[in-house]
Amino acid sequence: QVQLQESGPGLVKPSETLSLTCTVSDGSISNYYWSWIRQPPGKGLEWIGYIYSSGSADYNPSLRGRVIISVDTSKNQFSLNLSSVTSADTALYYCARMRGVGATRGWFDPWGQGTLVTVSS
Amino acid sequence: EIVMTQSPATLSVSPGESATLSCRASQSVRSKVAWYQRKPGQAPRLLIYGASTRATGIPARFSGSGSGTEFTLTISSLQSEDFAVYYCQQYNNWPVTFGPGTKVDIK
Repeated sequence: QVQLQESGPGLVKPSETLSLTCTVSDGSISNYYWSWIRQPPGKGLEWIGYIYSSGSADYNPSLRGRVIISVDTSKNQFSLNLSSVTSADTALYYCARMRGVGATRGWFDPWGQGTLVTVSS
Repeated sequence: EIVMTQSPATLSVSPGESATLSCRASQSVRSKVAWYQRKPGQAPRLLIYGASTRATGIPARFSGSGSGTEFTLTISSLQSEDFAVYYCQQYNNWPVTFGPGTKVDIK
């Protein structure tokens, strides 16, 4: 059964870049879509973006311009970079595999346990 | 962007009873709704997709229904492990969006 694990710094300074990696184990990253989702404290879940194993990606318009998701199939990993962070980017960040085919894709299974990233000086 | 709302915010239920959780979309999302369960410190778990299809390994006491803008997750005969927060999510329009969650706690 595929498992996902987020890793990266738990503290990032304002204006810097938040970088997280999701490692996929017990399964291949190839031929699937992979996503990042976050939840700020006391707020709802927000989809950040997705990447296909070939490298094509799409992002939430609310974050477009600050976010880049990349994939490294040789390491079975995909990564999130979010630039110019502020305290509003403090959140629990999850990685997840996106399921479904074509126009029916868009639900998530499985998810990682999440990693808390705090933006503070 | 489609706004998903959930009610109630908190549902207090006794073990063995059933629970009915509601989710509403700001516009039609057809049947493209998923439901997730989240417990503290754990990864969210997919329960339902396509509004009514149970994910692999999900017990039959979890059932989903609805289409258009109104959706329901029913948990029959709640077990101790079912007390958690439940989220609905639409994937008919991008960006996909989630509801704020319903917390099911022990009465």
